[in-house]
Amino acid sequence: EDKVVQSPLSLVVHEGDTVTLNCSYEVTNFRSLLWYKQEKKAPTFLFMLTSSGIEKKSGRLSSILDKKELFSILNITATQTGDSAVYLCAVEAYSYSGGGADGLTFGKGTHLIIQP
Amino acid sequence: DVKVTQSSRYLVKRTGEKVFLECVQDMDHENMFWYRQDPGLGLRLIYFSYDVKMKEKGDIPEGYSVSREKKERFSLILESASTNQTSMYLCASSAPGQAYEQYFGPGTRLTVT
Repeated sequence: EDKVVQSPLSLVVHEGDTVTLNCSYEVTNFRSLLWYKQEKKAPTFLFMLTSSGIEKKSGRLSSILDKKELFSILNITATQTGDSAVYLCAVEAYSYSGGGADGLTFGKGTHLIIQP
Repeated sequence: DVKVTQSSRYLVKRTGEKVFLECVQDMDHENMFWYRQDPGLGLRLIYFSYDVKMKEKGDIPEGYSVSREKKERFSLILESASTNQTSMYLCASSAPGQAYEQYFGPGTRLTVT
């Protein structure tokens, strides 16, 4: 059974701090790891990672994957109150059904709170 | 912009009722998904479909069924609703081979009393 574990489950920091969110996984036939941001609505896509050691960046957010140790981190630098959200990690496996999509297995999320 | 809509934002049903949750997407996506989201448990996949009339069980299909008669519409059915099915239900869609880039609907908060 595929498994995704995120840590910490919640985190409170001050504006301007840098945070690191962790995601470890166990999955058969790994295809990709994904990060989502969820505020008071449906999740929005942040990053997709497929290769080890290659950092993906988007503004103050960055993420990297280690396929040997089976984990990923999401970094947010110079945090702002608008970064407050639940950050979800998910893994995608290659389809057994031949249909090209097996859905995603999500972690429980990290609830990040940025205090002014 | 991809738009995924769900038929209701809030729904209250009684135990034993048959419940239909409808999801419609306007991007001609082959793949559609139903998740439920519960505090402390995260998002869990119920069912998914990669083509019309095709369906696959996800991680927690028990107590649910689905219907995909048209490409744009994916319905989740609770044959006999129970209180442990009180949850937020999220529908998503994606293009073929791009399960990672799922576009989510706004969610339906279902309460079963």
